[in-house]
Amino acid sequence: GDSVTQMEGPVTLSEEAFLTINCTYTATGYPSLFWYVQYPGEGLQLLLKATKADDKGSNKGFEATYRKETTSFHLEKGSVQVSDSAVYFCALILSGGYQKVTFGTGTKLQVIP
Amino acid sequence: DVKVTQSSRYLVKRTGEKVFLECVQDMDHENMFWYRQDPGLGLRLIYFSYDVKMKEKGDIPEGYSVSREKKERFSLILESASTNQTSMYLCASSLVPPGRNQPQHFGDGTRLSIL
Repeated sequence: GDSVTQMEGPVTLSEEAFLTINCTYTATGYPSLFWYVQYPGEGLQLLLKATKADDKGSNKGFEATYRKETTSFHLEKGSVQVSDSAVYFCALILSGGYQKVTFGTGTKLQVIP
Repeated sequence: DVKVTQSSRYLVKRTGEKVFLECVQDMDHENMFWYRQDPGLGLRLIYFSYDVKMKEKGDIPEGYSVSREKKERFSLILESASTNQTSMYLCASSLVPPGRNQPQHFGDGTRLSIL
């Protein structure tokens, strides 16, 4: 079946450090890929997306590139801030009759001053 | 902006009670979803609905039912609450996609404790 694998957290970084959160997927079709962010006490918010191979999604300084050859969609940010502390979820959506989303288990990021 | 509103942020109920979790969206979305979120397990789909009065089982429907009488409202029902249903419950909605890139929009969640 379809699945998303994320690196286990928590990830603890100092402010202004470089961030990478790994995400790989397996899918029977040709998925669209997403990163969601969940701040403490809130629901999930869409952070960025990519719908085809080699697309780069970007938002708020975060980037991720859809790599079909390695089935990956790693999240990166050049300089993290304390306000980026949250749980990050990688997800995929397949085309089809209904929109079933497959989520990874989430990676908690803690940024310390 | 899409607004998905869940009726309660925190809820405490007793074992055996019938529990209703309500979700309302304001963007005329066709699809609505209920997930539960547990540490180490991520999000798991309980039920979803792609139209009024339509419902489909997700990955973990046991012990739950749903109701969609109006397009904007999707209710999750715990028929007889048990302690293993203590969790964070998230509601989401999305458009029927003409393509493949329609994200889901989430509510803030209901943290449910069953004592």
